Amino acid sequence: EDQVTQSPEALRLQEGESSSLNCSYTVSGLRGLFWYRQDPGKGPEFLFTLYSAGEEKEKERLKATLTKKESFLHITAPKPEDSATYLCAVRRKNSGGYQKVTFGTGTKLQVIP
Amino acid sequence: EAGVTQSPTHLIKTRGQQATLRCSPISGHTSVYWYQQALGLGLQFLLWYDEGEERNRGNFPPRFSGRQFPNYSSELNVNALELEDSALYLCASSTPRQGFNEQFFGPGTRLTVL
Repeated sequence: EDQVTQSPEALRLQEGESSSLNCSYTVSGLRGLFWYRQDPGKGPEFLFTLYSAGEEKEKERLKATLTKKESFLHITAPKPEDSATYLCAVRRKNSGGYQKVTFGTGTKLQVIP
Repeated sequence: EAGVTQSPTHLIKTRGQQATLRCSPISGHTSVYWYQQALGLGLQFLLWYDEGEERNRGNFPPRFSGRQFPNYSSELNVNALELEDSALYLCASSTPRQGFNEQFFGPGTRLTVL
C-alpha cells in the first residue's frame, strides 16, 4: 500500500523565517513526486515534479529536494502570500500498467507579517 | 488563457439522489482527471479520461461514473448518494505529454449530502 505522510500538519512562521516541510513516502517504483500549493476554496496549483533521488528544483522562494524516502520543500524568507496548504503526491505504475497517484494530507503554512 | 472551470460551485443533495458535476478543461488539454477531497483526507483519485475513453479508475464503487465528451469536457455522476460522499470534487486537466506529471486543477465543486 502506497503511503505519503506530510509533516508537520501545520506550521506557523514569522515573515522571513525560513523552514522546511517534509513529505515521507513509501511506494514501489516511484515515477514522480509532486508538490502542489492549495489556497482556501481553490484547487491545487502545480509547483514541482521530481523524478529521481538527488534532484532539486527551485521557484522563487521555494526549493524542492528528493531522496529515496522523502522530499523536502524548503521555504526561504517566506512572505505572508506564501500562506497556503502544501500538498505532496507520488505516482507509480501498478501491476496492471495503470497510473496510481497518492496524495498526502498536506501541511498548512501560515506566515505572520 | 482560461483555466479549468467546474460547475456548479456548490451542490446540495439528499441521500439516495444523483449528482452530476461538470468540468471544462484548458483549451488544448485532452486529459481530464477527477479527484475527491474529503475533510481531513488527502485527495483521492477517482477517474481519468483521455480522448473520450476511461483510462484509469481509483478505488471507488461503480456508482461513481463519468464520461468525456468530444470537446473534451467531462461529467462526473454519483448515484445513490451517501452522507460520506460529501466532499470537494476537483477536476484537473493536462496534455497527453504532461499527464499526471503536471496537472492543472479547477476550483472544485462542493457537494453536500444531507
